[in-house]
Amino acid sequence: NAGVTQTPKFQVLKTGQSMTLQCAQDMNHEYMSWYRQDPGMGLRLIHYSVGAGITDQGEVPNGYNVSRSTTEDFPLRLLSAAPSQTSVYFCASGRGLNTEAFFGQGTRLTVV
Amino acid sequence: SQQGEEDPQALSIQEGENATMNCSYKTSINNLQWYRQNSGRGLVHLILIRSNEREKHSGRLRVTLDTSKKSSSLLITASRAADTASYFCATAPNSGGSNYKLTFGKGTLLTVNP
Repeated sequence: NAGVTQTPKFQVLKTGQSMTLQCAQDMNHEYMSWYRQDPGMGLRLIHYSVGAGITDQGEVPNGYNVSRSTTEDFPLRLLSAAPSQTSVYFCASGRGLNTEAFFGQGTRLTVV
Repeated sequence: SQQGEEDPQALSIQEGENATMNCSYKTSINNLQWYRQNSGRGLVHLILIRSNEREKHSGRLRVTLDTSKKSSSLLITASRAADTASYFCATAPNSGGSNYKLTFGKGTLLTVNP
């Protein structure tokens, strides 16, 4: 089982560029989420999805879009990258209440 | 806003010693989870404790939860160098909560010296 796969692992963008961070899971999980991790801040929720076609905003959604057309995939789009979006991004998936979340290995994004 | 706050921020111990980390949170929760993160890697789930549980064990890990004080502790017994990592608590909200809306603390960096 591959689990949760994120691509790319590293990315450098120029301010104003757009890009998509990919996330795929092969565990048939209903729930998927995107977090960002900044030094000294822990992880903060960007967007989440409770199933195909259903997404909602988390704590820090500005500047990001998501969609969930399939159960497996949950891409995160940066519309116009800003230096404040320099961070490590983690995708997670899981089943229902009182179960663990499975995390990908992260994408380290630098915006210059 | 950060729901959980871990204490201490950093902890350095010798191999074989026990390590205790604490977590406080602010709002009503459905469950509390602990995760480990090795440097530059993803998070790995360690243990989940439900709001109606007070203590849970898994191998060398012992977690307690006090909902009246809104706090939890993670005890790692007989620590090993391989336990060196950052440890995070995460809470799932009580209102429609699940593991897709976790709120994380800032973490405790544990260093276990050989």
